[in-house]
Amino acid sequence: EAQVTQNPRYLITVTGKKLTVTCSQNMNHEYMSWYRQDPGLGLRQIYYSMNVEVTDKGDVPEGYKVSRKEKRNFPLILESPSPNQTSLYFCASSSREYGYTFGSGTRLTVV
Amino acid sequence: GQNIDQPTEMTATEGAIVQINCTYQTSGFNGLFWYQQHAGEAPTFLSYNVLDGLEEKGRFSSFLSRSKGYSYLLLKELQMKDSASYLCAVRRNQGGKLIFGQGTELSVKP
Repeated sequence: EAQVTQNPRYLITVTGKKLTVTCSQNMNHEYMSWYRQDPGLGLRQIYYSMNVEVTDKGDVPEGYKVSRKEKRNFPLILESPSPNQTSLYFCASSSREYGYTFGSGTRLTVV
Repeated sequence: GQNIDQPTEMTATEGAIVQINCTYQTSGFNGLFWYQQHAGEAPTFLSYNVLDGLEEKGRFSSFLSRSKGYSYLLLKELQMKDSASYLCAVRRNQGGKLIFGQGTELSVKP
């Protein structure tokens, strides 16, 4: 089954404790992306990647890191999480021709 | 810069037709997408327009006018399960940059 898998689904952590949210796709898509979704602000793009070792900032990259060492994986790293990074996060992937297919989401709470 | 506007909320009756509008201003336009999102779930792809005109897909149709920076999503024969948020998104250039509007919350009433 074609899908984007992200883990974990839910995460509660403390301020300053580094964390990684994993994302994997099995569709051989070139593009991958991370979004966060907050009430009243909609979906905002954090980072995106056009291919292996090619990444670029979205609209809200501060406080996040990404890497694309393999085509299928695109982890999101929060080196020192803060409470304002409490949000619902979505990973997504796409081919050149079509829009993004989204993962099921990760609900992150930073206390 | 870029700006995508769509109404915040709409209400419609089961069995009716509803049109959700989206206007955008962006450089490097390379396609417009519509997604459906139920509360707490991931957005799911509905339609894609890159050329002017109407794209029809069952009960859903989407229209694009690039010169006017305007699109609409048309939902026919509304069902209760169509109650959801509808997101308009614009792709810029050839890359992976996809910008979303804030979404239109559609409520379908019996």
